[in-house]
Amino acid sequence: QLQLQESGPGLVKPSETLSLTCTVSGGSISSSNYYWGWIRQPPGKGLEWIGSLYYGGSTHFNSSLKSRVTLSVDTSKNQFSLKVTSVTAADTAVYFCARHYELGRPYVDHWGQGILVTVSS
Amino acid sequence: QSVLTQPPSVSAAPGQRVTISCSGSSSNIGNHYVSWYQQVPGSAPKLLIYDNNKRPSGIPDRFSGSKSGTSATLGITGLQSGDEAEYYCGTWDSSLSVVFGGGTKLTVL
Repeated sequence: QLQLQESGPGLVKPSETLSLTCTVSGGSISSSNYYWGWIRQPPGKGLEWIGSLYYGGSTHFNSSLKSRVTLSVDTSKNQFSLKVTSVTAADTAVYFCARHYELGRPYVDHWGQGILVTVSS
Repeated sequence: QSVLTQPPSVSAAPGQRVTISCSGSSSNIGNHYVSWYQQVPGSAPKLLIYDNNKRPSGIPDRFSGSKSGTSATLGITGLQSGDEAEYYCGTWDSSLSVVFGGGTKLTVL
């Protein structure tokens, strides 16, 4: 079955860049109709979509984060990645990588377990 | 503040039925499919309902979804203690964003 696993540093200093990778196993990241995205959840708060990409390279972002976010995909490794620049304490959250259906019907059918990233000096 | 509005909490006794509402607008729920998720503390969300009212394989028929206009509703019948969790609705917004509700905490009394 499809599995997603986040990896990356759990602690990032303010003003630096947060970098996470999601490794997909049990299926291909090159699946038609599916997008690969990042969703975060600050401690005690709700879900916030960060952005998504299609294996062919098209990307879509939350407008509130767009200027600081980069998404990329490595189909040879079945991985996709997230970078968030100039982080502050407000970026402290559990970050989930996820697979969702096409943009007009973006139901998330597979989630990673999540990784807590704390922004602190 | 979330684009989709959910009640912060709902509660009901075991065996009872509960509904959770999700209110949006014509730019999101009114013109796009709604999905629902269950999140137990410390775990990733799990898909309960997609395309307004469809259940993924393995989700019991105690869970149901409906949509009318710019609002959607998740229904849970035969409440069990294991249903205690946070529930989120989600959909696409015409501003080209995936959007979620703020979440509803379900307490089984």
